[in-house]
Amino acid sequence: QKEVEQNSGPLSVPEGAIASLNCTYSDRVSQSFFWYRQYSGKSPELIMSIYSNGDKEDGRFTAQLNKASQYVSLLIRDSQPSDSATYLCAVNRGSGGSYIPTFGRGTSLIVHP
Amino acid sequence: DADVTQTPRNRITKTGKRIMLECSQTKGHDRMYWYRQDPGLGLRLIYYSFDVKDINKGEISDGYSVSRQAQAKFSLSLESAIPNQTALYFCATSESPVYGYTFGSGTRLTVV
Repeated sequence: QKEVEQNSGPLSVPEGAIASLNCTYSDRVSQSFFWYRQYSGKSPELIMSIYSNGDKEDGRFTAQLNKASQYVSLLIRDSQPSDSATYLCAVNRGSGGSYIPTFGRGTSLIVHP
Repeated sequence: DADVTQTPRNRITKTGKRIMLECSQTKGHDRMYWYRQDPGLGLRLIYYSFDVKDINKGEISDGYSVSRQAQAKFSLSLESAIPNQTALYFCATSESPVYGYTFGSGTRLTVV
């Protein structure tokens, strides 16, 4: 079992809809959680980070964390065609400052007009 | 200038050749990482370094070596390149695990 799991997609949503991306992780001691967006052929860019259970909102993006169930999700409201990209979930494993980042394989999102 | 610079951007090399990929950063971060990305496999960690004297293997270090020449520079070497090392390679830096990672633009390596 890979340590960070994501559905590969593609997830297709119409413009203006809410896109929901999910991620599960296996290491219960994981502390920090991130969502990256990666356009084809480009490098990943950080869009959200979350550390505590609950929701964290930033503009059209909301990250949700449930440590008991070991999942992280990303909601994108009012999806735009420019949101079409691969979304990578990343989890910091470890302790005592020696955190090692592990990435999921990514979910491809397609927002169609 | 980019915060994290990778050179070269693209490289085609022959099987058996030694090749070095370079990464330099201006962010002043101690933590640096090398990843490779393959279609369908996501980002996989090759090596990481928490400071100049600290080098650690990641999940797929076989066939690779690294050198941390300074806080700002972290190089990845393929001692004897093989075709299944064809991939997109990313360098990343981090100030602290809680702040996430900044990636370079990547090096697309093709081994023929």
